Amino acid sequence: GAGVSQSPSNKVTEKGKDVELRCDPISGHTALYWYRQRLGQGLEFLIYFQGNSAPDKSGLPSDRFSAERTGESVSTLTIQRTQQEDSAVYLCASSVVGDVDNEQFFGPGTRLTVL
Amino acid sequence: AQTVTQSQPEMSVQEAETVTLSCTYDTSESNYYLFWYKQPPSRQMILVIRQEAYKQQNATENRFSVNFQKAAKSFSLKISDSQLGDTAMYFCAFSTSYGKLTFGQGTILTVHP
Repeated sequence: GAGVSQSPSNKVTEKGKDVELRCDPISGHTALYWYRQRLGQGLEFLIYFQGNSAPDKSGLPSDRFSAERTGESVSTLTIQRTQQEDSAVYLCASSVVGDVDNEQFFGPGTRLTVL
Repeated sequence: AQTVTQSQPEMSVQEAETVTLSCTYDTSESNYYLFWYKQPPSRQMILVIRQEAYKQQNATENRFSVNFQKAAKSFSLKISDSQLGDTAMYFCAFSTSYGKLTFGQGTILTVHP
């Protein structure tokens, strides 16, 4: 079946604008994760969804960041009033369940550039 | 706090030779998994190998193997018979509880012909 997909692939926006990034997980995967990867850096955890449970938002860097997921399907990550430090690649991953030993499958990421 | 440290920002190796990438981590968890991911220029994260913390035997996947030293909290990746396609950024990571991954800063590996 298809892997994790993300859109758009690239997004250029002006400082202060809002952006919305989309993630389509693998069908049947109940767990979904968002990560941020700054240039030349490792991935930073942002948020985790597991089925209909309350999400773990502990990695969101500020209240300008929010994410939603409807059931076990698509997720959107929204960044309001973007700042230049938000420029990064945003990666989404999904796994069968959110468990310590479950392999996460990653999407290709969205490269966000804030001018 | 849980941390992962990769002390080698860049490494290079000749094709067909062997290279070892280092990783150390710190956690108070008793149940966790360790991973090495590969990220080529395409940005696609690819799982290379994983190790269960409660298993003493080192994991092996074809040309890739790990040296897991639990007491030292060390988890190095050995790539044998390096190939040009191995050129990528390599990330060490571990997961606990619900699978949240904590990543190191990465090591850029270049394989030269």
